[in-house]
Amino acid sequence: QSALTQPPSVSGAPGQRVTISCTGSSSNIGAGYDVHWYQQLPGTAPKLLIYGTSNRPSGVPDRVSGSKSGTSASLAITGLQAEDEADYYCQSYDSSLRVVFGGGTKLTVL
Amino acid sequence: QVQLQESGPGLVKPSQTLSLTCTVSGGSISSGDQYWSWIRQPPGKGLEWIGYIFYSGSPYYNPSLKSRVTISVDTSKNHFSLKLSSVTAADTAVYYCAREHYDTLNFDYWGQGTLVTVSS
Repeated sequence: QSALTQPPSVSGAPGQRVTISCTGSSSNIGAGYDVHWYQQLPGTAPKLLIYGTSNRPSGVPDRVSGSKSGTSASLAITGLQAEDEADYYCQSYDSSLRVVFGGGTKLTVL
Repeated sequence: QVQLQESGPGLVKPSQTLSLTCTVSGGSISSGDQYWSWIRQPPGKGLEWIGYIFYSGSPYYNPSLKSRVTISVDTSKNHFSLKLSSVTAADTAVYYCAREHYDTLNFDYWGQGTLVTVSS
């Protein structure tokens, strides 16, 4: 059981907008800690996609965005492309557990 | 550009100790503004943080693994290591080393990962 809860899967057609939720608790997201998002393509290591809740590292397109409210965070991808098909993980700091990850969400581009 | 590379046996027998090393290149492990971490991913499953260490040697571990984990750092070799004792089949996973930024607490550089299988 992950400390952060994500939907197992989401899907969307090319060009559409999808969102992935990440629900935590008062000891992590709700305590004000930042949320980070990673993209993992099959057979590869995770890649940082969003840090500090809403910041994009260099090279990540602006159609990818992050937000947070209360004990939850969201990752949004607009203008969906085939190359976006991957697993996505959220991560935060927890006052008891230190580093916590979500269980991961598989994004399918229809 | 910082690069991390895991190394170690790909097969470990049950009840034995898993040992991995992560060699850092393109930057100093002693630069002071990052934690050096181990993360694992069982086949077909999600990511699990194992623990991290600061260059000065203060480790922090996932409470669920704390009794079996030791993470150490060797600044002279610019690498850090993981030991996981009393392994079982449940410890079969891809093991990643990663750099966690001290301020933002996100993992910005990852190794490619190494699969460790626990089997007799």
